[in-house]
Amino acid sequence: AQSVTQLGSHVSVSEGALVLLRCNYSSSVPPYLFWYVQYPNQGLQLLLKYTTGATLVKGINGFEAEFKKSETSFHLTKPSAHMSDAAEYFCAVSKNTDKLIFGTGTRLQVFP
Amino acid sequence: GAGVSQSPRYKVAKRGQDVALRCDPISGHVSLFWYQQALGQGPEFLTYFQNEAQLDKSGLPSDRFFAERPEGSVSTLKIQRTQQEDSAVYLCASSGGRIDWTGRGVYFGPGTRLLVL
Repeated sequence: AQSVTQLGSHVSVSEGALVLLRCNYSSSVPPYLFWYVQYPNQGLQLLLKYTTGATLVKGINGFEAEFKKSETSFHLTKPSAHMSDAAEYFCAVSKNTDKLIFGTGTRLQVFP
Repeated sequence: GAGVSQSPRYKVAKRGQDVALRCDPISGHVSLFWYQQALGQGPEFLTYFQNEAQLDKSGLPSDRFFAERPEGSVSTLKIQRTQQEDSAVYLCASSGGRIDWTGRGVYFGPGTRLLVL
């Protein structure tokens, strides 16, 4: 069975600081991995995804994530936080289909 | 259309009432998904359609939940005899097909927020 664990339900950073949102997965087969962002009263928006190939994946809004098989991790990073990055972030996994298994989410707060 | 749309955006129901939630997927998208997102939680899978065929309904929490997509486009999620624990945001998503075929991922609608009193 697949599952996703997001460490830290809330993360707070100062504007301009590094953003690090953690995601670990468990999967019996190589998974497909995703990060979605959800702004208030809006649907989930795909930030980036890993399917095959290069393990460092770049997404929208300056975010990137690295697939580390040995650590079963897919942490999301951004070098410099912006106020507009404040939102809920969800890590998700799937196995060869579009059915997604989500983590419980991490709320990112950005302080001026 | 430009994206996945859902209606209504908000629904308040009295306990025991039946509700119907509508999803309009992106035009031409083969796959359609329903997810339930409780407050403070991640979305949880409910059911999946490929065209008009419901291929997976393993996430539907009870037989009070029913979904259909009769013509392979618009889908309706129906909840009968609503209970307070049904209060959640119901998300619809669509995709062009299997991710190992399109690689373009899944697109979500804004959701319907259901409150059962």
